[in-house]
Amino acid sequence: DAGVTQSPTHLIKTRGQQVTLRCSPISGHKSVSWYQQVLGQGPQFIFQYYEKEERGRGNFPDRFSARQFPNYSSELNVNALLLGDSALYLCASSSGTGVLGQYFGPGTRLTVT
Amino acid sequence: GIQVEQSPPDLILQEGANSTLRCNFSDSVNNLQWFHQNPWGQLINLFYIPSGTKQNGRLSATTVATERYSLLYISSSQTTDSGVYFCAVDKRSNTGKLIFGQGTTLQVKP
Repeated sequence: DAGVTQSPTHLIKTRGQQVTLRCSPISGHKSVSWYQQVLGQGPQFIFQYYEKEERGRGNFPDRFSARQFPNYSSELNVNALLLGDSALYLCASSSGTGVLGQYFGPGTRLTVT
Repeated sequence: GIQVEQSPPDLILQEGANSTLRCNFSDSVNNLQWFHQNPWGQLINLFYIPSGTKQNGRLSATTVATERYSLLYISSSQTTDSGVYFCAVDKRSNTGKLIFGQGTTLQVKP
């Protein structure tokens, strides 16, 4: 079975632009969580979606938003990009709402210039 | 919120050496996991270990929940063990939110 997939793998944007990142969970998994990993740090939780509803939100500004589709795939949107948004964005999927059995995708590396 | 501290921040070993990585956390937790992040950014689950001891090949982990720390042991290290090791915790049992430490960067030299 395929693991968690994310697209695109790399992305370069300019300050002020908007970006959409995509994640497809493992087949059968209904929960998707998003994390931001700035260079040299551990990942930080942004959102969790379960059954198409937001179940948790980290300490990120309203410029960050997400949604989950009926097929359980998810999109993360970031508006008005700042240089500090440059990071590796990781998606994780699990069958339930907890972290047990959570598997991470390869990530999307976003560079804001 | 919960604070997660990992030590040492960096570690350089010769192939074949053993190592111990430590994770301290500031509050009781329901979940604790160890991850390995390879040079391409992929996070791989190593252990789910909120308490007790587990072993998987050359890797083993021990969590002493009452004293709020966990240890990851790597024996007979190989160059493929290089990368960043993260400890991550969750205080509640029904959220997808993991709180990660800053990681330990391991370099194994041939």
